[in-house]
Amino acid sequence: AQKITQTQPGMFVQEKEAVTLDCTYDTSDQSYGLFWYKQPSSGEMIFLIYQGSYDEQNATEGRYSLNFQKARKSANLVISASQLGDSAMYFCAMREGSGDRGSTLGRLYFGRGTQLTVWP
Amino acid sequence: DTGVSQDPRHKITKRGQNVTFRCDPISEHNRLYWYRQTLGQGPEFLTYFQNEAQLEKSRLLSDRFSAERPKGSFSTLEIQRTEQGDSAMYLCASSATGLKETQYFGPGTRLLVL
Repeated sequence: AQKITQTQPGMFVQEKEAVTLDCTYDTSDQSYGLFWYKQPSSGEMIFLIYQGSYDEQNATEGRYSLNFQKARKSANLVISASQLGDSAMYFCAMREGSGDRGSTLGRLYFGRGTQLTVWP
Repeated sequence: DTGVSQDPRHKITKRGQNVTFRCDPISEHNRLYWYRQTLGQGPEFLTYFQNEAQLEKSRLLSDRFSAERPKGSFSTLEIQRTEQGDSAMYLCASSATGLKETQYFGPGTRLLVL
């Protein structure tokens, strides 16, 4: 079974509008961490936001927020006030056995990504 | 504060040749990771080090692949007898042990095997 599922291969949004990128995850661990990364065409993975499984509040970082619904095992990324420079590939990732209780495992599991295009 | 660096950024080689990639992590980070990314896919984990110890290896890391981190600083990833299926982006990341333990990625090395 896929650990991370991103069901939207591509999304389009007009500049200054908000957009939600979907991510669902599968784990039997109680402690885990969820991440979103942005990958422009240059190829580098840029960290955007983190949510620990024990965090009670949804994470926010500037224009990025994470809509964490633990019971549904979803961790959607919300980008507010989209900008042309937000056009990129976005990946959701999970690390099991870690989060707010310390890390025991290192690897990240990634989804297949969502290509976001922002148009003027 | 410099980020993760990788060298070379691009490599073209012929099938059967050996290649070696280098990764320099963020200086205070004790963990270092290698991932491989093929077109249209997310990165897939290959291996990771805590200091100089290699703690986990993926089944993707066949016996043609070897990784080292001899002094707990930079790391090398070597592919012997390259195959066309090895063509991919090889990404290195580093992190510091802690609560969030965010992995920060380098720019990657794009390998093309002809």
